Amino acid sequence: DIVMTQTPLSLSVTPGQPASISCNSSQSLLHSDGRTYLFWYLQKPGQPPQPLIYQISNRFSGVPDRFSGSGSGTDFTLKISRVESDDVGIYYCMQSKQLPTFGQGTKVEIK
Amino acid sequence: QVQLVESGGGVVQPGKSLGLSCAASGFSFSAYSMHWVRLAPGKGLEWVALISFDGTNEHYADSVEGRFTISRDNSKNTLYLQMSSLTIEDTAVYYCAKGTGRNSWAFDGWGQGSLVTVSS
Repeated sequence: DIVMTQTPLSLSVTPGQPASISCNSSQSLLHSDGRTYLFWYLQKPGQPPQPLIYQISNRFSGVPDRFSGSGSGTDFTLKISRVESDDVGIYYCMQSKQLPTFGQGTKVEIK
Repeated sequence: QVQLVESGGGVVQPGKSLGLSCAASGFSFSAYSMHWVRLAPGKGLEWVALISFDGTNEHYADSVEGRFTISRDNSKNTLYLQMSSLTIEDTAVYYCAKGTGRNSWAFDGWGQGSLVTVSS
């Protein structure tokens, strides 16, 4: 299994300030088809998870452009350029190069 | 608009069985892989099982292999999860999730979830 490790596990951010979450995979997520199967999801309180980013850096439909993803190989980052109160929740990275595995989750709170 | 509605959750004793259903609408159900993902109390998301668009391929997490069975009925736009030999560790909210493609191992739509509590 590919192990996904997120840091930090919790983050307290002032509204309007940036935030960054790191995700490391135990092996490269670059598939033989040339794509890198790294995704980001957000679970807001009391809601099901919602998709944010696919294949490292592509935003799913409807995701605000303050969310961006970057990285390659085994190291990836989700950035929120200006955190809003609606961004609170738990952020998960996930790989699907092999059967899906998630990171532990990063809880984002507002100061 | 993707809509996924899970049903069938509840309280069940250890060692017993329980079945979940997920009714899909708003997209061409038979064209997408489907998944079950769970969230146990105090833990993170765990992928459980997936089935290909036509039902010919299934995959399971090691934690449920041999105990859970995923299936689908494309004529009814419905996904199923049959769970047997349940343990306390299976207590979780179970989410039905839509795959991003026919045989995709990632997902882009989720239901509201169905709570399964395994308790004596």
